[in-house]
Amino acid sequence: SSELTQDPAVSVALGQTVRITCQGDSLRSYYVSWYQQKPGQAPVVVIYGKNTRPSGIPDRFSGSSSGNTASLTITGAQAEDEADYYCNSRDSSGNHHVVFGGGTKLTVL
Amino acid sequence: EVQLVESGGGLVQPGGSLRLSCGASGFTFSAYWLSWVRQAPGKGLEWVANIHQDGSETYYVDSVRGRFTISRDNAENSVYVQMNSLRAEDTAVYYCARVLVGAKGYAFDIWGQGTMVTVSS
Repeated sequence: SSELTQDPAVSVALGQTVRITCQGDSLRSYYVSWYQQKPGQAPVVVIYGKNTRPSGIPDRFSGSSSGNTASLTITGAQAEDEADYYCNSRDSSGNHHVVFGGGTKLTVL
Repeated sequence: EVQLVESGGGLVQPGGSLRLSCGASGFTFSAYWLSWVRQAPGKGLEWVANIHQDGSETYYVDSVRGRFTISRDNAENSVYVQMNSLRAEDTAVYYCARVLVGAKGYAFDIWGQGTMVTVSS
């Protein structure tokens, strides 16, 4: 199996830009997906594939990747973006195993 | 509306069994991989199991392999997980999720609301 590593907590001033990162060997071979989870709610995918935003996700959310590191960027963070963010990808073994990062708590100041 | 609805959670003693169900609507169920993902109280997300569109392939995280069994009934638009020999560390909210599988990607694009499983004496 493989692991994905995220910073436990990140903060951003209202309206500023923040980058949340995810590191892991599997990211050299597979795309990452990003999920937003607010307290008491199910996760919601915000970015998947190369850099695809599902319908209804604001365009201030974008994704990028280089080597073994993927990033979720929020350009002009809003108060409603305060949440936990998780990354995931396929396991580097190539089978249908899946790994999640430990999550990043985003605080909007 | 595309949705997944889980049921079957509850309190069970260590060593006991529980079967969770997840009903789907609003999409062609048989065209998608499905997964179970869990989240222990105050912890992060953990993938539990996957099942192929026709049920021919299943995959499990190491910690549940041999104890949990994922299955599906495409005629009933439902996916299940049979959980045996439950342990305290299996206590979590269990979500079912629809999977978008690509050559290089793996995304859970639709999630249910979750069902709580508590393993305690």
